[in-house]
Amino acid sequence: GAVVSQHPSRVICKSGTSVKIECRSLDFQATTMFWYRQFPKQSLMLMATSNEGSKATYEQGVEKDKFLINHASLTLSTLTVTSAHPEDSSFYICSAQAGGPDADTQYFGPGTRLTVL
Amino acid sequence: AQRVTQPEKLLSVFKGAPVELKCNYSYSGSPELFWYVQYSRQRLQLLLRHISRESIKGFTADLNKGETSFHLKKPFAQEEDSAMYYCALNRGGKLIFGQGTELSVKP
Repeated sequence: GAVVSQHPSRVICKSGTSVKIECRSLDFQATTMFWYRQFPKQSLMLMATSNEGSKATYEQGVEKDKFLINHASLTLSTLTVTSAHPEDSSFYICSAQAGGPDADTQYFGPGTRLTVL
Repeated sequence: AQRVTQPEKLLSVFKGAPVELKCNYSYSGSPELFWYVQYSRQRLQLLLRHISRESIKGFTADLNKGETSFHLKKPFAQEEDSAMYYCALNRGGKLIFGQGTELSVKP
């Protein structure tokens, strides 16, 4: 149980285009989802916290107009990288919390490798 | 400021040797700490949390509030333990991750 999927797993796009990444909780309802960015052999940096039906909360230094987050249902959150540039190339990972007795456990997706040419 | 520090980027040991991955934290309240593991080409997964005081795959970690540490230990390392290990601190429902330590267990 508690599986989180991400789609696509890998995307290559041209500079200036927008890319949407989906994060789904497959067998549970996620009250909260998180988006992280990870550079090679480095730590995960939290970008934003997403709650179903409300606006995402962004961490300091993260441009909310560039990284649009939508959490339309209890099983789906999307991250759209708008007007992508090469410096946005990274590994983007989402996680989901189920709530309830296991409320503070985050289940991670497999990540999406974004390459901006 | 809340912070998690893992001083070693790479730790290399031989199979059967004891291993200790260091984690220090900075947090003003009562900390809730986790260890996550990421095997090659796999997703991040929870290894253990301090509040459950359990042993997973032979790993244990004890919270030492005096030293503000939560080191991960295993008495006899196995080759399949080779992975990236991340220490994380729960800050108001959000996780703050350390920089990670790559554990390499050689045969």
